[in-house]
This record gives sequence, C-alpha cells and structure tokens, in this order.
Amino acid sequence: ETGVTQTPRHLVMGMTNKKSLKCEQHLGHNAMYWYKQSAKKPLELMFVYSLEERVENNSVPSRFSPECPNSSHLFLHLHTLQPEDSALYLCASSQDFQGAYEQYFGPGTRLTVT
Amino acid sequence: AQKVTQAQTEISVVEKEDVTLDCVYETRDTTYYLFWYKQPPSGELVFLIRRNSFDEQNEISGRYSWNFQKSTSSFNFTITASQVVDSAVYFCALRAGSYQLTFGKGTKLSVIP
Repeated sequence: ETGVTQTPRHLVMGMTNKKSLKCEQHLGHNAMYWYKQSAKKPLELMFVYSLEERVENNSVPSRFSPECPNSSHLFLHLHTLQPEDSALYLCASSQDFQGAYEQYFGPGTRLTVT
Repeated sequence: AQKVTQAQTEISVVEKEDVTLDCVYETRDTTYYLFWYKQPPSGELVFLIRRNSFDEQNEISGRYSWNFQKSTSSFNFTITASQVVDSAVYFCALRAGSYQLTFGKGTKLSVIP
C-alpha cells in the first residue's frame, strides 16, 4: 500500500484556470508538507502543516493556497498561475514536524501551466 | 545558513560496477541530521537513511553503504555491484537548526546493462 497518494498525477492548466491538488497520507502522521521541484533546482519547501495548523509558509505567492482539513489530507489550490509555476509538486508527511523524523513522499503531480 | 552540495550532476556506470555519490554539507549547528533519498522515474522520493551528527559510524545496508566524515563535512553514498534498478536521482539533505530540510540538487545515476 502506498503511504502517501497524490491526485492528479498530471495536470495541464491555463493561466486563468483554478485547480486543486490533493494529497492523502495513510501513515497516521501529524505533519504534512508541500514541495515544489523544478528542473535544475533543489526541492523547495512551500508549506508545512502540523495537526491541521500551518506552521510554515516559505514566501510562497498567494496564487498557491493550501488547505489541511484534517491530519490525513492536504490540498493545494491553484489560481492564476504563471508558466514558471510548471513543476513537479510533491506532498510529504512525517510523524511530527519537529525532531528528525524522515519524510515520506507521494509520487507528485506534474503541473504544466500554458 | 545551511547548504548541501552534490557536485556530480549525472553519473553513468555499467551494471555491477561500484559507484559513489558525493555529498558535502555546510552548517554551523553542532546538532544536525543528514539524509539520503532516492527518486526513481515514478517520482516519489524514497527515504534511504538518516544519520545524526553525533554518530560517525559508517552504515551498510545490503549493497548500500554510507561514509560520514565530520572532518570533511561529507556524507557519501556508495552502491556496490550496481543494478539497473538503482537508476534514479539521489538526493542528499540536511536538517539543522530548524525543521526544514535543505536538499542538494541531486545526482542522476544511470546504470547501463
């Protein structure tokens, strides 16, 4: 069983569209994360949630809006994106956001903004 | 500030060869943690190992081994007798001072049959 699932796996959207990415973790973890992975760049942490409370927002533009309705689900709402937002968006979870717990990643959503 | 450098962007080896992936880190914290992740073509990062700054013992897990040297701020990863299934992008990461992971840019390993 896959511990962290993400849907959709691929998404193409225009700059005026609104779409949402979904992440679900089946590991009983308390912390969830959104990362952006662009070509030739290190992974960039976007948001961190602990028990549905946002604990980090790494200067992410407001066109990305996260939502964490419970500790198992995490959404990333997308609105008025730019072509440079095309990337692989990875969701991860860990037992807690404090302490050196390893993070478990989903397969990602490959986003293309046209 | 934390920094992780993986100087090797891409490596190609022939199956059954040994290969070492380099990782050099920078931090001023005395307590920190180092990680290696594997990203196969399917996309998800797979956790391989975590090492804390107080434990310099090398670790071996099957064909994988890790060499942690604080004197050179390095945490290198060796795959012995490489296999095609080892083809992936490998990331080294550092956690120090805060809960954020600092990732290197990754090394793409191609194992040729």
